[in-house]
Amino acid sequence: KAGVTQTPRYLIKTRGQQVTLSCSPISGHRSVSWYQQTPGQGLQFLFEYFSETQRNKGNFPGRFSGRQFSNSRSEMNVSTLELGDSALYLCASSGGAGSYEQYFGPGTRLTVT
Amino acid sequence: DAKTTQPNSMESNEEEPVHLPCNHSTISGTDYIHWYRQLPSQGPEYVIHGLTSNVNNRMASLAIAEDRKSSTLILHRATLRDAAVYYCILRAYSSASKIIFGSGTRLSIRP
Repeated sequence: KAGVTQTPRYLIKTRGQQVTLSCSPISGHRSVSWYQQTPGQGLQFLFEYFSETQRNKGNFPGRFSGRQFSNSRSEMNVSTLELGDSALYLCASSGGAGSYEQYFGPGTRLTVT
Repeated sequence: DAKTTQPNSMESNEEEPVHLPCNHSTISGTDYIHWYRQLPSQGPEYVIHGLTSNVNNRMASLAIAEDRKSSTLILHRATLRDAAVYYCILRAYSSASKIIFGSGTRLSIRP
């Protein structure tokens, strides 16, 4: 089975621009979660989608948004980029609710200049 | 959300067992105890999880205290490839549960 894939792997953007990151979960997984990882804050939960519905959200501003498609693929969007948005963005998929393990992708490294 | 407390760092020798502790004194009855690890330059990797009973899999063992307020991840024979940051996490069994990562334990393995 193919693992979680994320595209692109690396991205450089300018302050004020917007960016869209993509995540393809493991086949058959219906839950996709997004995390931001920075040296200062560590791993922080952004949001989780299940069957195209957002069912949980972390403490991030409204500039961070996401969606999930009927094939379970997910995208996250960050508008009006700030320097502090530079981070590794990780996507994880799982088969179901809290008792299930999550499988992480390699991440997208976003640099905002 | 219930929190976990782990030592910042630990060191162990190669081919010896490693016991990574985690305290979760505010755990609720529906919280599962999950362990993940993150190797350098990779996304986190699932290691093991449990609810009340001790658990074993090919990667590790999880020992859960009787009162569930602490747990220990056991790597039976550490290798250099086990050097990573290990995260102990509580996840509620619900349709809307999120993972709250703490700072984890950075495990170093001496050859």
